[in-house]
Order: sequence, then C-alpha cells, then structure tokens
Amino acid sequence: EIVLTQSPGTLSLSPGERATLSCRASHSFSSSYLAWYQQKPGQAPRLLISGASSRATGIPDRFSGSGSGTDFTLTISRLEPEDFAVYYCQQYGASWTFGQGTKVEIK
Amino acid sequence: QVQLVQSGAEVKKPGASVKVSCKASGYTLTTYYMHWVRQAPGQGLEWMGIINPSGDATSYAQKFQGRVTMTRDSSTSTVYMDLKSLRSEDTAVYYCATRSAGGLGAFDIWGQGTMVTVSS
Repeated sequence: EIVLTQSPGTLSLSPGERATLSCRASHSFSSSYLAWYQQKPGQAPRLLISGASSRATGIPDRFSGSGSGTDFTLTISRLEPEDFAVYYCQQYGASWTFGQGTKVEIK
Repeated sequence: QVQLVQSGAEVKKPGASVKVSCKASGYTLTTYYMHWVRQAPGQGLEWMGIINPSGDATSYAQKFQGRVTMTRDSSTSTVYMDLKSLRSEDTAVYYCATRSAGGLGAFDIWGQGTMVTVSS
C-alpha cells in the first residue's frame, strides 16, 4: 500500500499570503494519479487537482499542483478567505489512499 | 447535473450491521465505478472500496475485507455499502464518490455523506 504523508499538519497564514502544502509518498508512482481535495467543515471534499497538476472544473487558477515520483506540492498563490480549510492528497495509481490532511488556518 | 444522494443518519449498537445507500440522479449509474470513503469525527479520509459499473466486481481496502459488502441495483441507480460487526471505531461519516467522466480516477462527485453512530 502506498502511504501518503502530508506536511505540515497545520499551516497558519494570513489572507493574501502564499500557501505551500507537501505530500510525500512511500513509493514512487505515476504523477498521473495524484489528486488534491479541499474540505470545509460539514461538507464533502471537493476535487481541486487531478493528474498532479490539472485543475478540476471551476477551480481558480490560484490553485496549482506540481511534483512527480514521491514528492508532490499544492500551492495556493494568494490565500482568499474561502481557502481556509483542510486539504488532502490522494493517490489512485495503486488502489486508492489519502494523506492525513493539512489544515490551513487563519493566522 | 449529476448528483449522488445518500440515505439518512443511522444509530447502531456494537455488533450490528448498517446498510447505506447512494442514489444517482442525472445519469445512468451503470457506466460509473463507485467508491466509498469514510471519515471519523475530527479525522481524515479513509478509502473503503470500489464497485464496478456492472456490479459484478468489487475491491475492498484490506482493513475492511470480510466486514464490508458493496452492491448495486441498476434498476434504481442505487449502490449500497453494508458494514457488519460494527464497533465504536466505525462511527464516522460515510461518503459515496465517483468520477463524472467515467472510468477510474479522482473523485469529482460526492454524496452528501451519511453519519453512522455506533453506540451501546
């Protein structure tokens, strides 16, 4: 099983700042199969990025994904108030697994 | 607009079983794989398993093998997740999820979630 480890656990930032979230895999896999989700309290997750770098429909371009092999990054270029949430990475190249999440909170 | 509508909250005693439904509207369920994901209170997302479009193949996370069964009823565009031998650690929100373009991949359509509480 591919284990995904996200860091940091919590990111405290102010609106307008840049957020950089990391997702590291225990085994290398194709970047075609890495996704990022956003989840707000009481809501189902929302797909942001698939294939490591392709934004889902309707996702603003301040969200971008990159990486390959075992190291992947989600970047939010300038945080908007609605971006404070929990973010999960997911791999779907070998079964499906999620990272434990990174909470982006208001500083 | 594709939507997944799940059944309502459940309260079960330890050792009991629960069956959660997920009904699709706006598309034909028979063309889509369906996943189940759960989330314990204050915890992260946990993939449980998948059922194929025709309903004749499933794959479960090792943690749930032997306790979970996923089925589908094409006539009603509904998929089901049955979890038995419930314990307190199974208290969670259970989601169904799928990929709107069909095939295997990331999940861009999610149900609203079903809260299952296991308590004596």
